[in-house]
Amino acid sequence: EAQVTQNPRYLITVTGKKLTVTCSQNMNHEYMSWYRQDPGLGLRQIYYSMNVEVTDKGDVPEGYKVSRKEKRNFPLILESPSPNQTSLYFCASKLAGGTYEQYFGPGTRLTVT
Amino acid sequence: RKEVEQDPGPFNVPEGATVAFNCTYSNSASQSFFWYRQDCRKEPKLLMSVYSSGNEDGRFTAQLNRASQYISLLIRDSKLSDSATYLCVVNNGQNFVFGPGTRLSVLP
Repeated sequence: EAQVTQNPRYLITVTGKKLTVTCSQNMNHEYMSWYRQDPGLGLRQIYYSMNVEVTDKGDVPEGYKVSRKEKRNFPLILESPSPNQTSLYFCASKLAGGTYEQYFGPGTRLTVT
Repeated sequence: RKEVEQDPGPFNVPEGATVAFNCTYSNSASQSFFWYRQDCRKEPKLLMSVYSSGNEDGRFTAQLNRASQYISLLIRDSKLSDSATYLCVVNNGQNFVFGPGTRLSVLP
């Protein structure tokens, strides 16, 4: 089944404790992206990647890192999480080119206390 | 001004009604446009792409007006299952900008 998977789905952590949220897709998509969704603000793009070893900042990259060492994986790293990073996170992937549909993972609900 | 704006609603309509959502975007260089549907705190799913010529998919019709930087979505004969949040999405080259969403509740 074609899909985007994220792990973990739910995470409660404490300020400053490094964490990684994994994202994997099995559709051979070149483009992958991370978003966060907060009430009243909609989805905001954190980072995106056009292909392996090619990443770029979205609208809200501060406090996040990403890497794209393999085509199928695009982990999101929070080196020192803070409470303002409490949010619902979505990973997405699509074929290269602006007109293609993005496929989203099921989301990761992160709480930083 | 936000890059993509939508009326947040909620729109509460009876079954069978026709409802229209609007979306405006500020970047005139935007290249492609989409409507996504999101059920409560689940992942967004593509409803339809939006083309300059307008496009229709069953009960759903999308229109794009590049001159006015305006996108619309029309839902005819609303069903209970149409209750969701509808997200307007604009692609500016490599990055995607989402509107805050318009919430629709279809009532029996």
